[in-house]
Amino acid sequence: SQQGEEDPQALSIQEGENATMNCSYKTSINNLQWYRQNSGRGLVHLILIRSNEREKHSGRLRVTLDTSKKSSSLLITASRAADTASYFCATDEFPGGKLIFGQGTELSVKP
Amino acid sequence: KAGVTQTPRYLIKTRGQQVTLSCSPISGHRSVSWYQQTPGQGLQFLFEYFSETQRNKGNFPGRFSGRQFSNSRSEMNVSTLELGDSALYLCASSGGQETQYFGPGTRLLVL
Repeated sequence: SQQGEEDPQALSIQEGENATMNCSYKTSINNLQWYRQNSGRGLVHLILIRSNEREKHSGRLRVTLDTSKKSSSLLITASRAADTASYFCATDEFPGGKLIFGQGTELSVKP
Repeated sequence: KAGVTQTPRYLIKTRGQQVTLSCSPISGHRSVSWYQQTPGQGLQFLFEYFSETQRNKGNFPGRFSGRQFSNSRSEMNVSTLELGDSALYLCASSGGQETQYFGPGTRLLVL
């Protein structure tokens, strides 16, 4: 079963715009990770944020975590057509090794 | 380092048959996790192996089993295949940190 929900389920934007995806989860976590998947292929790890962190940046990505609300958001700035993919959040509970995924957000970036 | 590899990439089986999928983790990684991805259920955790021992198990029937060898390579087996087992099976390896690195997946079609 899924840990939580992602919102929106689908997002369509123009190149250069920012894309924001939200993720909610249900239980206490060790960390929360975001992954990207292109057309049913393998998952690519984007960023990991630990439960004691509130915000993290990596290139054009910014992730926030609010453990009191059990939610996270992923912001992709200045999006590109190559960012078109499905994005998943995944939570990792102690002792680890078992990721629980959200349903994913399908992002379409139009040139 | 070479990434996670999975074989075969595509597989067609008929109901009632059994199938074995293989995963070679990144060199030096001792943890291997398996996930099933379907359009209806999304990404679901199957099991995780660490140093040849199953450390975590998801909520799947006993038809789904796995093992890990001394070189950390892992196999998963599905017996008595059902139509609903058609899915993308993803393997991920981890080197002791929280990030899991995914392979390209094996797409299984059960007819």
